[in-house]
Amino acid sequence: AQKVTQAQTEISVVEKEDVTLDCVYETRDTTYYLFWYKQPPSGELVFLIRRNSFDEQNEISGRYSWNFQKSTSSFNFTITASQVVDSAVYFCALSVTDSWGKFQFGAGTQVVVTP
Amino acid sequence: EPEVTQTPSHQVTQMGQEVILRCVPISNHLYFYWYRQILGQKVEFLVSFYNNEISEKSEIFDDQFSVERPDGSNFTLKIRSTKLEDSAMYFCASKQGYTEAFFGQGTRLTVV
Repeated sequence: AQKVTQAQTEISVVEKEDVTLDCVYETRDTTYYLFWYKQPPSGELVFLIRRNSFDEQNEISGRYSWNFQKSTSSFNFTITASQVVDSAVYFCALSVTDSWGKFQFGAGTQVVVTP
Repeated sequence: EPEVTQTPSHQVTQMGQEVILRCVPISNHLYFYWYRQILGQKVEFLVSFYNNEISEKSEIFDDQFSVERPDGSNFTLKIRSTKLEDSAMYFCASKQGYTEAFFGQGTRLTVV
């Protein structure tokens, strides 16, 4: 069975601070995909990044960066110089290749950025 | 940019009534899903659909639920006799293959 743990329920920061969201996953599959989605107050789910289990390269996209470490089964997400528009719930998700692509979501981390 | 479209955005229904939630997935996608998010909770998998049949379903997806792809473009979720605990945001998603899933904006279902 697959499991995704986002231990941080809520993180509050002041604008321009960096914030790191933790994601720890469990799976016995050797081929899997990890994702981050953003859910703003309007409710939709916005795709941020996909990583497959064979690609441990870290990635940076603007103010967003991701640190994938298979050794610790973690896929952490950092927002640099946070802005008020970053306020949202962020979900980490796992998909394995033999389960028809369904996503196992973590519980989500609420990020609150205040001016 | 192609997107997954869900209608209605919000539906209020009385307990015991049937509801149909509609989704138009991205046109060249092959895998279709319904997920549910009870307010303030995590997003939960309901069902996946591939090649015109259910490929996997969760324990939540009991006999009260059904899915259909009636005309090759729409993808519907029917709840036969709604209960109060069915109140949630329902997300439709689609994907091509081993790619990210694209989610619709969701339908908020309120059962009163």
